[in-house]
Amino acid sequence: KNEVEQSPQNLTAQEGEFITINCSYSVGISALHWLQQHPGGGIVSLFMLSSGKKKHGRLIATINIQEKHSSLHITASHPRDSAVYICAVDADKLIFGTGTRLQVFP
Amino acid sequence: DGGITQSPKYLFRKEGQNVTLSCEQNLNHDAMYWYRQDPGQGLRLIYYSQIVNDFQKGDIAEGYSVSREKKESFPLTVTSAQKNPTAFYLCASSSRAAGEKLFFGSGTQLSVL
Repeated sequence: KNEVEQSPQNLTAQEGEFITINCSYSVGISALHWLQQHPGGGIVSLFMLSSGKKKHGRLIATINIQEKHSSLHITASHPRDSAVYICAVDADKLIFGTGTRLQVFP
Repeated sequence: DGGITQSPKYLFRKEGQNVTLSCEQNLNHDAMYWYRQDPGQGLRLIYYSQIVNDFQKGDIAEGYSVSREKKESFPLTVTSAQKNPTAFYLCASSSRAAGEKLFFGSGTQLSVL
């Protein structure tokens, strides 16, 4: 079993829908990262969080340390949000999930 | 603007050849990392460096080598000993300070001729 599990693996949505991507982990961590990878391959860091909730524009990330679970929410989704979203946990070293491929259609 | 620059974007390797991937950052970050990404898998750590002139093996270091002679630069050499080098390679850096995000380069796609 992977130490970092993401769900779903693939997600399609209509423009405007509310999106939730989940990340569960089984190790002790100091922080959790949410990353976005566009088709060209480059990765952008969206959030780094160790407790509670962070918001940036239409993106919201939450983490529950006791339950070892984090969610990434996208409100009012748009086709430009189409990308692979990757969860990574900082547990002495970074451990990455396999990503969630999101496609948002107009 | 500060950031990480990887080059080249695409690289082809012949049988028995060593190739070097470049990674440069002007973020003044102490820590730099090399990851390999294969389809359907999470990023896997090849090597990392927390300080100049020091580096550590990651989970899949066999067939790779690195150097860290300057804070800004962390090149990765894919040697002929790496029998399955075709993958997407990503370089990253961080300050390792609390609350600091990771920064990634745009990646290098390595293919075998």
